[in-house]
Amino acid sequence: NAGVMQNPRHLVRRRGQEARLRCSPMKGHSHVYWYRQLPEEGLKFMVYLQKENIIDESGMPKERFSAEFPKEGPSILRIQQVVRGDSAAYFCASSLDRDTEAFFGQGTRLTVV
Amino acid sequence: DQQVKQNSPSLSVQEGRISILNCDYTNSMFDYFLWYKKYPAEGPTFLISISSIKDKNEDGRFTVFLNKSAKHLSLHIVPSQPGDSAVYFCAARATQGGSEKLVFGKGTKLTVNP
Repeated sequence: NAGVMQNPRHLVRRRGQEARLRCSPMKGHSHVYWYRQLPEEGLKFMVYLQKENIIDESGMPKERFSAEFPKEGPSILRIQQVVRGDSAAYFCASSLDRDTEAFFGQGTRLTVV
Repeated sequence: DQQVKQNSPSLSVQEGRISILNCDYTNSMFDYFLWYKKYPAEGPTFLISISSIKDKNEDGRFTVFLNKSAKHLSLHIVPSQPGDSAVYFCAARATQGGSEKLVFGKGTKLTVNP
């Protein structure tokens, strides 16, 4: 049973470009979470999704950021018009249901140049 | 507002001794607490958790203690091994309107010296 898969592992974007981060949850998991980690900081919650639904997006910046978890395929975190401050490690986690532990992927390290 | 605080950025212990990592929280609505271990360039790995209805949970060398009145929890690792060297994150779950998001501390870097 493969773990949470994130790709790409590393992503370099120029300012103003779009970044798309993908997350395939563990098999059977329908709950997906996205977190961001800035240098020397803990992980900050961004968004919680279930299949086709956004449950909680209270941690998402109001502009340029969006997330989806379609019926088929991976969850996508999309950052439009990236700026240097978006440079961070983005982690995806999935869980079987609300009351079970979340398992994390290895993260995508986004660098905006 | 830092709702989950790990006040020690780093901790160094000798192999075979006990490691104690501490965590404080401010939100009384937190009902579930977790510890994650993270190596550089990898994702956090779940270690152990505890529900607010308990005050202790043990799994092998790892024990988590919860003091609800003090809003404090700690992770004990005994005996410590060099492979335990990593960053440890404390996390708490805030169940609000159906969301199960985790709130993380900033982490404590544990170094276990051979």
